Amino acid sequence: AQSVAQPEDQVNVAEGNPLTVKCTYSVSGNPYLFWYVQYPNRGLQFLLKYITGDNLVKGSYGFEAEFNKSQTSFHLKKPSALVSDSALYFCAVRAANTGFQKLVFGTGTRLLVSP
Amino acid sequence: NAGVTQTPKFRVLKTGQSMTLLCAQDMNHEYMYWYRQDPGMGLRLIHYSVGEGTTAKGEVPDGYNVSRLKKQNFLLGLESAAPSQTSVYFCASSYTGVGAQGYTEAFFGQGTRLTVV
Repeated sequence: AQSVAQPEDQVNVAEGNPLTVKCTYSVSGNPYLFWYVQYPNRGLQFLLKYITGDNLVKGSYGFEAEFNKSQTSFHLKKPSALVSDSALYFCAVRAANTGFQKLVFGTGTRLLVSP
Repeated sequence: NAGVTQTPKFRVLKTGQSMTLLCAQDMNHEYMYWYRQDPGMGLRLIHYSVGEGTTAKGEVPDGYNVSRLKKQNFLLGLESAAPSQTSVYFCASSYTGVGAQGYTEAFFGQGTRLTVV
């Protein structure tokens, strides 16, 4: 069965500092990995994805994520945090098999960027 | 560009009442999904559809029914609402994809906040 773990309920970082939001996954076969962001009272917005190819994936708003197959991780990073990055972040995984494969979400990590 | 639109945005129900949540997408996506979001539990899949006229159960289907009579619409029904169904409901849609080249991310609606009292 597929699963995603986001070990931190909340990450606190000062504006201008680098940020990391952690994600590890478990899936049979190759994974497709995603990060979504949710601002208050809004739906989920897609940030970036790993499907295949380069392990470092760049996405929206200056975010990037590194796929590490040996550690089964897909941590979200940003070199310099902004107060406006404060939101709820979800990691998700699906198996890269044919046909319908369920997209499984982690429990979310709240990022709080202080001025 | 509307994307995925959910109606209503907010609703309060009494225990035992019924209601239908409507999801509409204008991206010609084959797949559509209903999730519920609860604190500390992330998003859990209720039901999904891989095409017009087809539906299937997700992780937490009990107490819900769905229909996909038209490709662009996916309806979620609560026949007899219970307080345990108090949640935020999200609809999403995506393309199909066979292999890496065809798969794209899911697009989400803005959610429906449902309270059952």
